[in-house]
Amino acid sequence: QVQLVESGGSVVQPGGSLRLSCEASGFTFSSYGMHWVRQAPGKGLEWVAVIWYDGNAKYYADSVKGRFTISKDISKKTLYLQMDSLRAEDTAVYYCARDKRLRGVISMDYWGQGTLVTVSS
Amino acid sequence: EIVLAQSPGTLSLSPGDRATLSCRASQTLNDNFLTWYQQKPGQAPRLLIYGASSRATGVPDRFSGSGSGADFTLTISRLEPEDFAVYYCQHYDNSPPVYTFGQGTKVEIK
Repeated sequence: QVQLVESGGSVVQPGGSLRLSCEASGFTFSSYGMHWVRQAPGKGLEWVAVIWYDGNAKYYADSVKGRFTISKDISKKTLYLQMDSLRAEDTAVYYCARDKRLRGVISMDYWGQGTLVTVSS
Repeated sequence: EIVLAQSPGTLSLSPGDRATLSCRASQTLNDNFLTWYQQKPGQAPRLLIYGASSRATGVPDRFSGSGSGADFTLTISRLEPEDFAVYYCQHYDNSPPVYTFGQGTKVEIK
């Protein structure tokens, strides 16, 4: 079965860096695009970034553009999110999710359990 | 930039009631790119409806999605205890790729 397991969340100071990981299993990782979606405490969902199945295209939300980098290592079946210049407003649970594209329909069909990032001094 | 407005913010209903959740967009959407998710406290979101009206695998048929253009609806025909949760609509725009979520509707027990 499809499983996505995030790790790497912790407490970090403003201006600091952190790298999140999302280990995938149960599907052909090289055939799917992947997302990062975050949720600040008590708030709604916010899309962060997407990487195409082959890693050749990456897109970001304006709120993280230039500070966050999404990547994937197909050999390790792992998705990453490098987060630099962190701000208090980046505090959130970060979820990875699989991009589903079927007959022109697009959605996020499987989600990990999330990892908490807290930006605080 | 497309904005999705969900209403109401909170819906207070009893088990067995019918729930009607609205998602209105700031401009006309491609139906194929409108999705609904369910999130229970402390859990990750779960895909419910994709392409505006198709149920995801394992989703009970009491859940249905409808709508087109800029107005979309998620209907739960008879609420079960496990349906009390927060529901989000979401849209994909491909120029450039951007994924937008609505602010969510909480369905709570009355």
